[in-house]
Amino acid sequence: DAGVTQSPTHLIKTRGQQVTLRCSPKSGHDTVSWYQQALGQGPQFIFQYYEEEERQRGNFPDRFSGHQFPNYSSELNVNALLLGDSALYLCASSGTGGSYEQYFGPGTRLTVT
Amino acid sequence: DQQVKQNSPSLSVQEGRISILNCDYTNSMFDYFLWYKKYPAEGPTFLISISSIKDKNEDGRFTVFLNKSAKHLSLHIVPSQPGDSAVYFCAASPVFSSGSARQLTFGSGTQLTVLP
Repeated sequence: DAGVTQSPTHLIKTRGQQVTLRCSPKSGHDTVSWYQQALGQGPQFIFQYYEEEERQRGNFPDRFSGHQFPNYSSELNVNALLLGDSALYLCASSGTGGSYEQYFGPGTRLTVT
Repeated sequence: DQQVKQNSPSLSVQEGRISILNCDYTNSMFDYFLWYKKYPAEGPTFLISISSIKDKNEDGRFTVFLNKSAKHLSLHIVPSQPGDSAVYFCAASPVFSSGSARQLTFGSGTQLTVLP
């Protein structure tokens, strides 16, 4: 049973560029949440997708957008990259049924130069 | 404004002894709390959780205690093992978070090192 997978593992972009990160949830899960983890900090909630719609959003600018596909996989898009966007981006999946447990992927390390 | 704080960046404990990791929160709307463990190059792994209607939850070697009046929770690991060495994150979720996928607010983590 595959867990949460994310691609790519590492990414280097230049300031001002755009980036797309991808996530496949754990089998049987239908909800995907995205988190940003800066160095030395805990993960910070970006947004959450369920039924192909953004359901909850943290305190992130509109440069951060996402999408969820019918197969429950998800993308995180960041436009007009800033140096401060350099971080580990984590995807977490969960399913309906009352469990609050979220399963995290290994993350995508984004470096903006 | 950090709503979830882990004031100890690191903790070292001898194998077999108790590890106590602490976490404080400021938001009264938090009603569900979780602990995650993270190894390098891996995503956080869920350890144990507690609802605000309880003050203690046990799972094997791991016990979480919640003191709502003090807005404080702690994770006890007994006995500690070298494989427990990892970064431990405390997380909290607000009462208005809907559905099964709660919006989590994380602390900055505590690096636990268990010495053999």
